[in-house]
Amino acid sequence: SQTIHQWPATLVQPVGSPLSLECTVEGTSNPNLYWYRQAAGRGLQLLFYSVGIGQISSEVPQNLSASRPQDRQFILSSKKLLLSDSGFYLCAWTRGSTYGYTFGSGTRLTVV
Amino acid sequence: KQEVTQIPAALSVPEGENLVLNCSFTDSAIYNLQWFRQDPGKGLTSLLLIQSSQREQTSGRLNASLDKSSGRSTLYIAASQPGDSATYLCAVRNTGFQKLVFGTGTRLLVSP
Repeated sequence: SQTIHQWPATLVQPVGSPLSLECTVEGTSNPNLYWYRQAAGRGLQLLFYSVGIGQISSEVPQNLSASRPQDRQFILSSKKLLLSDSGFYLCAWTRGSTYGYTFGSGTRLTVV
Repeated sequence: KQEVTQIPAALSVPEGENLVLNCSFTDSAIYNLQWFRQDPGKGLTSLLLIQSSQREQTSGRLNASLDKSSGRSTLYIAASQPGDSATYLCAVRNTGFQKLVFGTGTRLLVSP
């Protein structure tokens, strides 16, 4: 069976510090991978998606970047965090267009 | 641009009641529609996936219907239980696009 792992679960970082969130999927190959953010009181916003190694598409210009160094690994990064980067970050995967999405357990990021 | 709306925003019912959550979307050119539940501080759990060619899907006490032409879906929960308390989200995937577009969510509270 397929599983998705996301870590860390919670993170408190000072403004201006770097960020690295990691997501891995097990039990499948060539998944489509996604990073979403859920800000307090707001809906889910797609940040990045990837359909293959090294292929990254950005939905919203911002202070964040994403990378996919391996088939089942998706990393969300920032060089310098802003207060507005606080939120709940969710990784997700799917096999393709007609398949459902599976989400990870999320990372709660607080920038102080 | 796809827009997804969920009504009501919040719902409080006594245990045992049957209830209906509504989801509407503006663009009917979709691959599928997916219902999720989210417990406070947690990730999204997939409940049901309905393909654009399907009318409904059932899982246990849950039944989801889809009327693509009118841009509507409903999630029916039979014999509600306190453990059903959560936020319910619907999301659609448009043809030709990679991302899920999420609704605003319905916060459900089932009282014992």
